[in-house]
Amino acid sequence: DADVTQTPRNRITKTGKRIMLECSQTKGHDRMYWYRQDPGLGLRLIYYSFDVKDINKGEISDGYSVSRQAQAKFSLSLESAIPNQTALYFCATSDSRAYQPQHFGDGTRLSIL
Amino acid sequence: QKEVEQDPGPLSVPEGAIVSLNCTYSNSAFQYFMWYRQYSRKGPELLMYTYSSGNKEDGRFTAQVDKSSKYISLFIRDSQPSDSATYLCAMSYSNSGYALNFGKGTSLLVTP
Repeated sequence: DADVTQTPRNRITKTGKRIMLECSQTKGHDRMYWYRQDPGLGLRLIYYSFDVKDINKGEISDGYSVSRQAQAKFSLSLESAIPNQTALYFCATSDSRAYQPQHFGDGTRLSIL
Repeated sequence: QKEVEQDPGPLSVPEGAIVSLNCTYSNSAFQYFMWYRQYSRKGPELLMYTYSSGNKEDGRFTAQVDKSSKYISLFIRDSQPSDSATYLCAMSYSNSGYALNFGKGTSLLVTP
């Protein structure tokens, strides 16, 4: 089983709908991250959380919100989806010891019509 | 100007060739440097992770960091068709909350 699991893997929805992407991990890491990946733009950070009570905005947080339900779970919500939020979304985790690299899930492909 | 620049390619090489992938960066505060490999429809997979200048070798892969030139490289020896993927450089500094700054990725094709 994957250490970082994202659900759903694919989602097609309509403009204005509320969408939730979920991430769970079995690595025991404290830190979790949400990125989006767009062709020609690379990976950009949306939100990150260093523990259950700590939530921080990333480079492109407008239009998104997150919830850290437990150490192992971090969800990303699009309150009212718009077409330019069509992208690949990745969750990542890292250990809280002196800098440790991030480990990624296999992503959610989101299309907003 | 984006903080991390990476040539998107595509780069096509014959099997067995030595591959050189590169990134440049503008922020001298970056301290931690990573290379990720991403296959189609998969998440980025950590290949190499280095701190400070110098070389690090792991099997067929060598990561090189030159902080004075703000330049990092990944070398792949004896390249294989299974190395065909997109390679992403990433870097971070402690004040960023360890958020990663990614290059856009270089697409590599190794032909048999």
